[in-house]
Amino acid sequence: NAGVMQNPRHLVRRRGQEARLRCSPMKGHSHVYWYRQLPEEGLKFMVYLQKENIIDESGMPKERFSAEFPKEGPSILRIQQVVRGDSAAYFCASSPYTGTVNTGELFFGEGSRLTVL
Amino acid sequence: KQEVTQIPAALSVPEGENLVLNCSFTDSAIYNLQWFRQDPGKGLTSLLLIQSSQREQTSGRLNASLDKSSGRSTLYIAASQPGDSATYLCAVSHPQKLVFGQGTRLTINP
Repeated sequence: NAGVMQNPRHLVRRRGQEARLRCSPMKGHSHVYWYRQLPEEGLKFMVYLQKENIIDESGMPKERFSAEFPKEGPSILRIQQVVRGDSAAYFCASSPYTGTVNTGELFFGEGSRLTVL
Repeated sequence: KQEVTQIPAALSVPEGENLVLNCSFTDSAIYNLQWFRQDPGKGLTSLLLIQSSQREQTSGRLNASLDKSSGRSTLYIAASQPGDSATYLCAVSHPQKLVFGQGTRLTINP
């Protein structure tokens, strides 16, 4: 059973370009979370999605950032018009739970490291 | 707002010592608490998950305890080894997302 797969592992963009980060959850997992880790800081929650639904996007910046988890295919975190402050490691996690409360374990991918020049 | 604090921020000990990492959280209304390990430039590896109804979990040389009422958890590492060197992260589920502490950077010296 493959783990959470993220790609690309490393991405370099110039200011103003777009960054697209992809996450395929573990097989059988229908819930995806995105976290951001800025240099020398802890992980901060960004968004929680299930298939075709955004459940909680309270950690997403109001502008330039969006996320989706379509019925088919990976979850995508999209950053438009990137700025140097977007440079960070972006981690995706998945969970198998299907109830109304998350009591399950989260499994993390290796992360995508974005560098904005 | 849930806040998670980990003390100490960094710890360096000789190989073979037993050690304790601390985690505290401000809101006791959690569903579970998870300890992770993160190696430099890598992702997170789940070490132990404690449900809110449990008081501790053990895996090999690791033991994690949870005291919800006081908002504390400890991760005990027995007979430390150089391979244990990493950053250890504590996270609480509150309620549908994990809130992380800043981590404890652990160095085990041979």
